[in-house]
Amino acid sequence: AQKVTQAQTEISVVEKEDVTLDCVYETRDTTYYLFWYKQPPSGELVFLIRRNSFDEQNEISGRYSWNFQKSTSSFNFTITASQVVDSAVYFCALSERDNYGQNFVFGPGTRLSVLP
Amino acid sequence: DTAVSQTPKYLVTQMGNDKSIKCEQNLGHDTMYWYKQDSKKFLKIMFSYNNKELIINETVPNRFSPKSPDKAHLNLHINSLELGDSAVYFCASSQGQGTSDEQYFGPGTRLTVT
Repeated sequence: AQKVTQAQTEISVVEKEDVTLDCVYETRDTTYYLFWYKQPPSGELVFLIRRNSFDEQNEISGRYSWNFQKSTSSFNFTITASQVVDSAVYFCALSERDNYGQNFVFGPGTRLSVLP
Repeated sequence: DTAVSQTPKYLVTQMGNDKSIKCEQNLGHDTMYWYKQDSKKFLKIMFSYNNKELIINETVPNRFSPKSPDKAHLNLHINSLELGDSAVYFCASSQGQGTSDEQYFGPGTRLTVT
């Protein structure tokens, strides 16, 4: 089973629409960290947010917001009033400790296309 | 100033050759990483070093060998290159000792094995 699942492989929206990218994770660790990264067409990976397992408070940063729910093991990412520059592949990631030590896993990514 | 730099940006080589990719970070971070991103954009961690000590060593062929001469550098050497090694390789760094901190990535090295 995948540790980090991003069920949406590709999403297309029209500019100014809101869009939510789903992330579901699996861990037995009680202390873990979740991340979102953005990879625009230029190829670099850009850090967006980090959240630890004890902080379930939702976060908003400009047009971006994140909804962390431990009960459903989800850490979803919403872009409000999307723009063409938001077009990218978005990765959710999990940092945990397992039986073998530290583990860091990226989800498969969601490709978001924002059309003008 | 580039925070995490990698050289070369592109690398085209033939099967069986040996090649190295260099990575340097000027952020003063303690931990560095190598990732492989395949053609489907799937990202997988390969190695992680903290203060020159290996802390993550995922299941990768032993043809891949990381070398950390100091905590600002983590180089990746690949022996006997195979077609399946073609991918984009990313170096990254983070502040703390483990993987709990955000990572800053280099621009990537696109390796093509023919």
